[in-house]
Amino acid sequence: QLQLQESGPGLVKPSETLSLTCTVSGDPVSSTSYYWGWIRQPPGKGLEWIGTIYVSGSTYHNPSLKSRVTISVDTSKNQFSLKLTSVTAADTAVYFCARTDITIFGVVPLDFWGQGTLVTVSS
Amino acid sequence: EIVMTQSPATLSVSPGERATLSCRAGQSLSSNLAWYQRKPGQAPRLLIYGASTRATGIPARFSGSGSGTEFTLTISSLQSEDFAVYYCLHYNDWLWAFGQGTRVEIK
Repeated sequence: QLQLQESGPGLVKPSETLSLTCTVSGDPVSSTSYYWGWIRQPPGKGLEWIGTIYVSGSTYHNPSLKSRVTISVDTSKNQFSLKLTSVTAADTAVYFCARTDITIFGVVPLDFWGQGTLVTVSS
Repeated sequence: EIVMTQSPATLSVSPGERATLSCRAGQSLSSNLAWYQRKPGQAPRLLIYGASTRATGIPARFSGSGSGTEFTLTISSLQSEDFAVYYCLHYNDWLWAFGQGTRVEIK
């Protein structure tokens, strides 16, 4: 059964780099049948797509965050990761990782999610 | 940047009644539109993709329609477990964007 689990520091200081890892069990991140992505939700606000990675290393980012975001994949650990630089209080959010399925009919977006992890940006 | 606008912001509905939620795109999306349900403390749940295809395990009371710039999620007969926030997602050309959400609350 597919499971995704986010991990990383729950508290990050302003101007520092937020680093999160999503550990996948039940599916290989090396599969050519999936994309892997990050989404966040600030307190009291809506969902925001951060970015997505494919096993080839191709990445796609939200233009509003692009210059600060790095997404990478580690097939040896069956994980993928998010780095967000120069964080501010506005980056305080619950961060989710999720899978997108690639089918012959097109993609099934964000069909499996982790439970999310709260990251607070504060000194 | 594609802007997704959901309406209404809040929908008050009695159990057993029909709920109709709207999502409007700033430009045509073809059918690359999905709907998600979000409950406190739970991960978002995919309901509909391709504008009208129910995801695996989603009850038939959830249906999606529309194309281009206007999309609708209909819940035919609201159950107690359906009271939640619903988000649409545009997923075209890797410029993905969520709407701001519609809260469905008990009337």
